[in-house]
Amino acid sequence: NAGVMQNPRHLVRRRGQEARLRCSPMKGHSHVYWYRQLPEEGLKFMVYLQKENIIDESGMPKERFSAEFPKEGPSILRIQQVVRGDSAAYFCASSYIDRPGGDYGYTFGSGTRLTVV
Amino acid sequence: RKEVEQDPGPFNVPEGATVAFNCTYSNSASQSFFWYRQDCRKEPKLLMSVYSSGNEDGRFTAQLNRASQYISLLIRDSKLSDSATYLCVVIPNQGGKLIFGQGTELSVKP
Repeated sequence: NAGVMQNPRHLVRRRGQEARLRCSPMKGHSHVYWYRQLPEEGLKFMVYLQKENIIDESGMPKERFSAEFPKEGPSILRIQQVVRGDSAAYFCASSYIDRPGGDYGYTFGSGTRLTVV
Repeated sequence: RKEVEQDPGPFNVPEGATVAFNCTYSNSASQSFFWYRQDCRKEPKLLMSVYSSGNEDGRFTAQLNRASQYISLLIRDSKLSDSATYLCVVIPNQGGKLIFGQGTELSVKP
C-alpha cells in the first residue's frame, strides 16, 4: 500500500504561470482533501472532494484556484496565474469514509512545495 | 477569534522534563479531537485521538474538557526525538475537514 502519493514534491513556477498539483489517494479511499500551509503558518483546509464531486470548497480562494477528482486518475489542484503569495506547501489527504480522522484512515501525502519566482 | 487556538511557542525544555500543551476551540458542536505532530514542515502525522474520558499512550496523555472547550497534551520524560511542532486538530460538526491550530513548537535539549 503506497499511501497517499503527491507529485511533484517541489514545483517552481514564474508569476503568471499555471501550477498543477496531483494527488493519488490510498487504495480504497474515495475522499480527498487539500490543505495549504503558508510559511510560518498552520495548515488551512481548502477543499474536500469525492469522485467527480466537490463536497466542500469553503476554504478555496475565490479566484484562480480549482480542484477536481475525476472518475479515473488522481485529484488535481490547479492554480492559474500564480503569484508570489501562492508559495506554500500543499498537502493532500485521503480517507475511506465521510467522517475522517485518525481513527478512519485519514492519511496525508508528503506534500508539494510550490515556489513562485 | 480563531477556530482552534494553541499556546504560543516555542517551548525549550531539557531531556526528561514534563511539558504540557493547551488548546481551545470555538465550535461547541465539534465532535472529534486529535493531536498531530509535524516535523520540519513535513506532512502532519497523527499522534493520538482525544476523548472525554482522557487517554494515555506511553509518555503521552491527552485530555478533553467539553464544557470549557479545552484540549491538552502532556508529555512526560521528554526525549530529544519529541522535538517537533504539535498541532491541535478539531473536526467540526459538519464533518469532512480538519481544523488545525497554528501549532506549538517543542525543542528538547540534551
